[in-house]
Amino acid sequence: KQEVTQIPAALSVPEGENLVLNCSFTDSAIYNLQWFRQDPGKGLTSLLLIQSSQREQTSGRLNASLDKSSGRSTLYIAASQPGDSATYLCAVRSGNTGKLIFGQGTTLQVKP
Amino acid sequence: DGGITQSPKYLFRKEGQNVTLSCEQNLNHDAMYWYRQDPGQGLRLIYYSQIVNDFQKGDIAEGYSVSREKKESFPLTVTSAQKNPTAFYLCASSIDLKGRNEQFFGPGTRLTVL
Repeated sequence: KQEVTQIPAALSVPEGENLVLNCSFTDSAIYNLQWFRQDPGKGLTSLLLIQSSQREQTSGRLNASLDKSSGRSTLYIAASQPGDSATYLCAVRSGNTGKLIFGQGTTLQVKP
Repeated sequence: DGGITQSPKYLFRKEGQNVTLSCEQNLNHDAMYWYRQDPGQGLRLIYYSQIVNDFQKGDIAEGYSVSREKKESFPLTVTSAQKNPTAFYLCASSIDLKGRNEQFFGPGTRLTVL
């Protein structure tokens, strides 16, 4: 059974720091991995999608990497800003149902 | 402006009532999904639909029902059989069920049982 874990559960950093969020999964047979952002009381915004054949994806100040063999992904945020404060969720897709298996998220606070 | 809309944003239900949550998408996606989000438990799949007039149970389908009469619409009914319905409900869609496709989410409906 696929399980997804995100560490740490919460993170507080000063503005301007570079930071890394971690995501691990137990079954390496995945189609893809998505990183999402969720603001309080809101829906999920897709940040990056990494296909199983890819090693990394970049969008602006965000860079996500994928190491299938070790069951790990990282989300790197460069030069963090207060507007980056949110909960970040990773999810893997590993079956024909299209179902995403989610981690419980990392809540990030960037202090001015 | 393409996207997924959910209504209402907030919904209050008395015990014993059925309520229906709306989900509409104009992305021309074949596949649609309903997830439930509870504090500390992440998101869990309730139902999904690959195509019009077809839908399948997810991991926590008990107490819920869906229909897919139109490609754009995938309403979720929370029945009185659902023992603990208070949660945040999220609808999503993707081009199809193939594993490589990105899922997009709506803004959610928060359901509270009074």
